[in-house]
Amino acid sequence: AQSVTQPDIHITVSEGASLELRCNYSYGATPYLFWYVQSPGQGLQLLLKYFSGDTLVQGIKGFEAEFKRSQSSFNLRKPSVHWSDAAEYFCAVGGGNKLTFGTGTQLKVEL
Amino acid sequence: DGGITQSPKYLFRKEGQNVTLSCEQNLNHDAMYWYRQDPGQGLRLIYYSQIVNDFQKGDIAEGYSVSREKKESFPLTVTSAQKNPTAFYLCASTTDYYGYTFGSGTRLTVV
Repeated sequence: AQSVTQPDIHITVSEGASLELRCNYSYGATPYLFWYVQSPGQGLQLLLKYFSGDTLVQGIKGFEAEFKRSQSSFNLRKPSVHWSDAAEYFCAVGGGNKLTFGTGTQLKVEL
Repeated sequence: DGGITQSPKYLFRKEGQNVTLSCEQNLNHDAMYWYRQDPGQGLRLIYYSQIVNDFQKGDIAEGYSVSREKKESFPLTVTSAQKNPTAFYLCASTTDYYGYTFGSGTRLTVV
């Protein structure tokens, strides 16, 4: 069965600092991997996705993620965080017809 | 603009009452999904449908029912058999499983 682990429930960073959100997955084949962001009371917005090819993928809002097969990880990074990045971030893994989501990481940005 | 519309945004249910959440998409997507979101638990799949007049149970289908009579519509009914229905419900759709588009959600509260 596929599964996703996001080990950090809450993360606080200062504005302008770098960010890394961790994601580990379990999947029996080559995974499709996704990062989504959710603002309070809203739906999820796709930040980036990985299917194959270059293991470093670029997304919207200056985010990037790196797929490391040997570590079963797909960590999300941003070089310099903005106050507007405060939100909840979800990693997801899927293949075929459905996605499995992690439990999310709540990001707080200190000014 | 194309997208997914969920209504209502807020819904209140009395004990023993059935309620129906609406999900409509004009993206011409084949597959549609219902997820339930509770704090700290991420998104859990309730039901999904890949084509009209066909749907499958997800991980937490008990106490819920769906229909897919039209490609654009995938309503979710929360029945009285669902003992803990208070949650945030998200509808999503996709055409190629390369990334889901989400609605803005319905918050259901039992009163």
